[in-house]
Amino acid sequence: AQSVTQPDIHITVSEGASLELRCNYSYGATPYLFWYVQSPGQGLQLLLKYFSGDTLVQGIKGFEAEFKRSQSSFNLRKPSVHWSDAAEYFCAVGPFWDMRFGAGTRLTVKP
Amino acid sequence: EAGVAQSPRYKIIEKRQSVAFWCNPISGHATLYWYQQILGQGPKLLIQFQNNGVVDDSQLPKDRFSAERLKGVDSTLKIQPAKLEDSAVYLCASSPWTENYEQYFGPGTRLTVT
Repeated sequence: AQSVTQPDIHITVSEGASLELRCNYSYGATPYLFWYVQSPGQGLQLLLKYFSGDTLVQGIKGFEAEFKRSQSSFNLRKPSVHWSDAAEYFCAVGPFWDMRFGAGTRLTVKP
Repeated sequence: EAGVAQSPRYKIIEKRQSVAFWCNPISGHATLYWYQQILGQGPKLLIQFQNNGVVDDSQLPKDRFSAERLKGVDSTLKIQPAKLEDSAVYLCASSPWTENYEQYFGPGTRLTVT
């Protein structure tokens, strides 16, 4: 069965610093991988997705993620974090109709 | 384009009471999902509808949870009777179809069972 592990429960970065959020997955075939963001009181918004092809995926709001099959990872990155990026980030694996989410990483941005 | 609407946004009930949540998906979206998000965890799929038919309800605790989607549009999720462990945010999402289509999430209903 597919599953996702997000090793970091909470990360704090300074505004303007780079960010990397880790995601490791378990999936029997070529995975569908997603990153979602959830701001307080809001629903989840899709940042980016990987189905196949280029392993470096560009998303919205300046985010990107790299699929590494050998490491079963799909880490999310952003070169320069803005205060508005403070939120909860979820990695998910599986087709759209059967996504399994990780427990999330809460991002705090220091001024 | 209006997003997915959910109501109420917050609900506090006592254990053994019943509660219902309502979801209005994006117009024209055939697929509707209900998720349960317990504090500190990622969302867990409870049930998926395609139009007004159930596609997957394998993770729905059917002894106390029920859901319907009349006329293939709005949906309601009911809990009867509620338990303390049902305290969570209940998210509704919709998509045009199931195959490789993004799900659009509503803001959720936060349920507290005391």
